[in-house]
Amino acid sequence: SQQGEEDPQALSIQEGENATMNCSYKTSINNLQWYRQNSGRGLVHLILIRSNEREKHSGRLRVTLDTSKKSSSLLITASRAADTASYFCATGASGGSYIPTFGRGTSLIVHP
Amino acid sequence: KAGVTQTPRYLIKTRGQQVTLSCSPISGHRSVSWYQQTPGQGLQFLFEYFSETQRNKGNFPGRFSGRQFSNSRSEMNVSTLELGDSALYLCASSLGPSNTGELFFGEGSRLTVL
Repeated sequence: SQQGEEDPQALSIQEGENATMNCSYKTSINNLQWYRQNSGRGLVHLILIRSNEREKHSGRLRVTLDTSKKSSSLLITASRAADTASYFCATGASGGSYIPTFGRGTSLIVHP
Repeated sequence: KAGVTQTPRYLIKTRGQQVTLSCSPISGHRSVSWYQQTPGQGLQFLFEYFSETQRNKGNFPGRFSGRQFSNSRSEMNVSTLELGDSALYLCASSLGPSNTGELFFGEGSRLTVL
């Protein structure tokens, strides 16, 4: 079963607006990561938040983690056209058989 | 520091053929994971190699196989290609096992099966 599931599937906003996307997962985790993928390219790591952290910032990115609800959110403030991409979450957990899994991602379009 | 390198970037094959894709991880990284990405299924985990050993395997048929060499470079092979194998194949490397931290992805190999 999928571990990271992103919501919404698609998001369309105007430049300058904020974009919020969510991720839900099923099992206990050690960390959660967000990645960005420009069309047809590889994924780029954005931010990692550990299970004992509730919020983390990196530039215009803000990630929150609620382990009680098994969910995370990624907020991009003051969006730019260059933020147009797909965004994925992936979780990390202990256990030799555990692998990070990705959902189908949130497709973000930022209109100039 | 050089990133993850995948070759070839694009290739076209016909049904029934086989294909080998290569991935060179970041220097010092011991784990290489492979993912298949299609529009309908998203990113699907294929397998992970860590220190030349297959650590995990996804739910793919035996036509999909891989290996890792002593220098951490990895190859994956798909035999008896089917139309549904058309996809972007992504490789990711990490310092330790894939579940412990950041994954660094290559640009992918785009396979088209005719």
